[in-house]
Amino acid sequence: KAGVTQTPRYLIKTRGQQVTLSCSPISGHRSVSWYQQTPGQGLQFLFEYFSETQRNKGNFPGRFSGRQFSNSRSEMNVSTLELGDSALYLCASSLGTQVPRNTIYFGEGSWLTVV
Amino acid sequence: AQSVAQPEDQVNVAEGNPLTVKCTYSVSGNPYLFWYVQYPNRGLQFLLKYITGDNLVKGSYGFEAEFNKSQTSFHLKKPSALVSDSALYFCAVRDRGAQKLVFGQGTRLTINP
Repeated sequence: KAGVTQTPRYLIKTRGQQVTLSCSPISGHRSVSWYQQTPGQGLQFLFEYFSETQRNKGNFPGRFSGRQFSNSRSEMNVSTLELGDSALYLCASSLGTQVPRNTIYFGEGSWLTVV
Repeated sequence: AQSVAQPEDQVNVAEGNPLTVKCTYSVSGNPYLFWYVQYPNRGLQFLLKYITGDNLVKGSYGFEAEFNKSQTSFHLKKPSALVSDSALYFCAVRDRGAQKLVFGQGTRLTINP
């Protein structure tokens, strides 16, 4: 079956603009989480959604937000972009139940460059 | 708080030799541990996981990992390295009761022909 799908794959934005990234999870998966990857900070957890509710949140400013739709698809938004927001944004999905053996699968990521 | 450490930023191995990528963890309670691989300009690919049971876990592409509770380690191994194994490898621990992963800093593995 299809994996985690992220769009767009690459984008360039100007400081001060806002951006929306989209993620379609694996069919049947109800949990979607987002991560930011940068050379300096590595992989950092942004937030997780399950059944349209934010279940966990990482240590990022309020400019970073997300939402999940009834079909489990998710979007994340970054407002008032800063140069430091340039990163690879990874979406991940899992079944979402509180069973530790659930594997978390990642998409190919969205490369954001802020100029 | 849960954490993992990958003590080596870079590992170089000759093709055909065995490889080991190290990971140590710090968790409260039982650890749920994962290995992922990232090829250039790609996302993360799941390799294997330890939840419970046998200390030797087998995964994709011939990789395996050994869980050692007394040494709090979860090292990734492969008996015979391929040039195509060259990539960035991440160890991660799953936050208890959550779908959140805490990652190590990553180890760049280079297999020399």
